[in-house]
Amino acid sequence: GEDVEQSLFLSVREGDSSVINCTYTDSSSTYLYWYKQEPGAGLQLLTYIFSNMDMKQDKRLTVLLNKKDKHLSLRIADTQTGDSAIYFCAEDKYSTLTFGKGTMLLVSP
Amino acid sequence: GAVVSQHPSRVICKSGTSVKIECRSLDFQATTMFWYRQFPKQSLMLMATSNEGSKATYEQGVEKDKFLINHASLTLSTLTVTSAHPEDSSFYICSARIGAVGNTIYFGEGSWLTVV
Repeated sequence: GEDVEQSLFLSVREGDSSVINCTYTDSSSTYLYWYKQEPGAGLQLLTYIFSNMDMKQDKRLTVLLNKKDKHLSLRIADTQTGDSAIYFCAEDKYSTLTFGKGTMLLVSP
Repeated sequence: GAVVSQHPSRVICKSGTSVKIECRSLDFQATTMFWYRQFPKQSLMLMATSNEGSKATYEQGVEKDKFLINHASLTLSTLTVTSAHPEDSSFYICSARIGAVGNTIYFGEGSWLTVV
C-alpha cells in the first residue's frame, strides 16, 4: 500500500473549520510536513511537526500528531476561499520526503 | 520570499530536443537538492537526489541517461531532459534542504514542460 495516505477531497463552507487527515507508515520518520499547492504552482510549506510533539499551532493552523496510530491532521480554522488548494502531507525519512496523493480542499462562499 | 527558485517556469520544446531546468537555492547553500515529477492531479514522484560535486542518485525506474542531473555548485542544480518526447510533458519541481538532515525542505515554484 501507499506509504502516506490521505483522503482525496474535502468540501467546506467559508468560515467553517477544515480538518485534513493523513496516515503514514514509518514510525522512524522524524518530521512530518504539510504543504499547500495552488493550481499550476509549486509547493508552499505550511507547517511541520517534529515527531516527539503531539500538537503544533501556528495562527489558523493546528497540527495534531498521534504517533501511536501514525496519524497526522491539519486543522484550518475560519477557512477562507483563498485556502482552496491541494494539501499534501509528507513524512521525512532517509533524508527525503514521501508524499501522500494530496487532499483537494474546496471552500465555498 | 522564495528560498528556492526554478527557471524556466514554463517551457515548450519540440520532440527530440533537449531542455534544461535550473534550480537555485537563494541565500543558502544546498548540499542536497531533490527533483520531483508531478503528473496532473497526482502526487509528487521523487526522481533523483542531487548531491553537490557527485553523481545524482536516481530512483528506481527513472532513466538517468534521459534525465541528466548536474549539481555543479552549492546553489545550483540542473535537470536536463534529453531527446524529449510528448510523454515527458509534466510538472517538474525541485526542492532543497536548509542545513542538516531534519531541517526544513523548501520547494521551487515548479517548471511546466510541454513537448510538442
